[in-house]
Amino acid sequence: NAGVTQTPKFRVLKTGQSMTLLCAQDMNHEYMYWYRQDPGMGLRLIHYSVGEGTTAKGEVPDGYNVSRLKKQNFLLGLESAAPSQTSVYFCASSQQGALTGELFFGEGSRLTVL
Amino acid sequence: GENVEQHPSTLSVQEGDSAVIKCTYSDSASNYFPWYKQELGKRPQLIIDIRSNVGEKKDQRIAVTLNKTAKHFSLHITETQPEDSAVYFCAAFSYGNNRLAFGKGNQVVVIP
Repeated sequence: NAGVTQTPKFRVLKTGQSMTLLCAQDMNHEYMYWYRQDPGMGLRLIHYSVGEGTTAKGEVPDGYNVSRLKKQNFLLGLESAAPSQTSVYFCASSQQGALTGELFFGEGSRLTVL
Repeated sequence: GENVEQHPSTLSVQEGDSAVIKCTYSDSASNYFPWYKQELGKRPQLIIDIRSNVGEKKDQRIAVTLNKTAKHFSLHITETQPEDSAVYFCAAFSYGNNRLAFGKGNQVVVIP
C-alpha cells in the first residue's frame, strides 16, 4: 500500500514549456487535491476533484489545468510554465470531503521554472 | 472566504517545555479544525483535529482547544522533544468555499 505517489519529484523547466504532474493513490479515495506550497504562504489549493470525471477550481487555479479520468489518478498540467509557478506541489486524497476526512499527502514535487 | 492566521510564525522552546500555537479564523460557520505537522523535507501529516461541538481534544502529548466565541483554536504540545521540531499548519473548513483553508504555518524548534 503505497498511499499517495507523485511523479516526478523534481523538475526544472524553462519559461513557456509545458509539463504534467501525476498523482496516484491506491486507497480508493473519492476526493483528490492539488496544493502548492511557497515559503511563508502555507498550502494553497489549486484544483480538486470530488470523484472520477469531476474537477473544480481551488484558491489559485490560474495557469493550471487538471484531469481525473481514472479514480486513482489526478493530473496537474502547466501549459506554459512561468517563473511564478516555481513551487513545491503536493497532491492529497481523502475518503470523504475535507470536512470529514483526513487528507493524505504525497511526498511533493519540486518544480523550478527558469 | 475563510481566512486563517497563525501566531507566532516561529517558536523556539527548550526540550521538555510546553509549546502553544494559536490560530484565528474568520468564518463563524466553520466547524472542523485540523492540525497538520510537516517535518523538514517531508509531507504534511494530520496529528489532531477538533470539531465545533467539542471544546478540547487530547492525544498523548498534544491537545487542541477551541473557542468558538473568540474564533480561535490552539495546539498544545507538552514535554516537547526534538522530534517535535517541524512546521505546524492549522486549518479551518470553510462552508462558503467548501474547502479547507490553511494557515501559513508555524515553525517550532525544540532546543535540546
